[in-house]
Amino acid sequence: DAMVIQNPRYQVTQFGKPVTLSCSQTLNHNVMYWYQQKSSQAPKLLFHYYDKDFNNEADTPDNFQSRRPNTSFCFLDIRSPGLGDAAMYLCATSRSGRYTDTQYFGPGTRLTVL
Amino acid sequence: AQTVTQSQPEMSVQEAETVTLSCTYDTSENNYYLFWYKQPPSRQMILVIRQEAYKQQNATENRFSVNFQKAAKSFSLKISDSQLGDTAMYFCAFRTLSNTGKLIFGQGTTLQVKP
Repeated sequence: DAMVIQNPRYQVTQFGKPVTLSCSQTLNHNVMYWYQQKSSQAPKLLFHYYDKDFNNEADTPDNFQSRRPNTSFCFLDIRSPGLGDAAMYLCATSRSGRYTDTQYFGPGTRLTVL
Repeated sequence: AQTVTQSQPEMSVQEAETVTLSCTYDTSENNYYLFWYKQPPSRQMILVIRQEAYKQQNATENRFSVNFQKAAKSFSLKISDSQLGDTAMYFCAFRTLSNTGKLIFGQGTTLQVKP
């Protein structure tokens, strides 16, 4: 049973053309995370939501934004994708933001920028 | 700075044999959890095993076990009786009490299980 779902699995966009990636969860978890994972690198946290509270990482570019309209859904918006934004984008959830909680990951969306 | 180092970018093991993946980390905090995640090719990342830093006993999950050396800040993963389905990239990661739940990942180790 899918618990963290990401759509689409593969996304191709053009340089500078805005793109939105989607994540949904059936776990009813309070926290949703977005990670960027470039080829052969570790996932890097971009930001996360604790309920409706948005928490941005200090080094996340302004080009990246997020929305969480309700508990189940979270979106990653890339306003003007550059070639360097080509990556796998991983969504994850956890019950709370406590360090003891496990994070559950979705299958990821692979973004290609032409 | 909080960092995780996986010094083995790639490893291979014969089916049914045992393999150990190494991981060291750095944090000045005392309260943290350590994790090993598995990311199969084109599939989602799943939790393999987790360890609470204040517990001395090493965690085990079926064929997976860890060797947690807190003083040395080492957290290696042992896979016994390796199976073809264990082929994946393995990430070591940790979360601390103070870092708002952020997972700090290592660079990953690609494990190939050979028949």
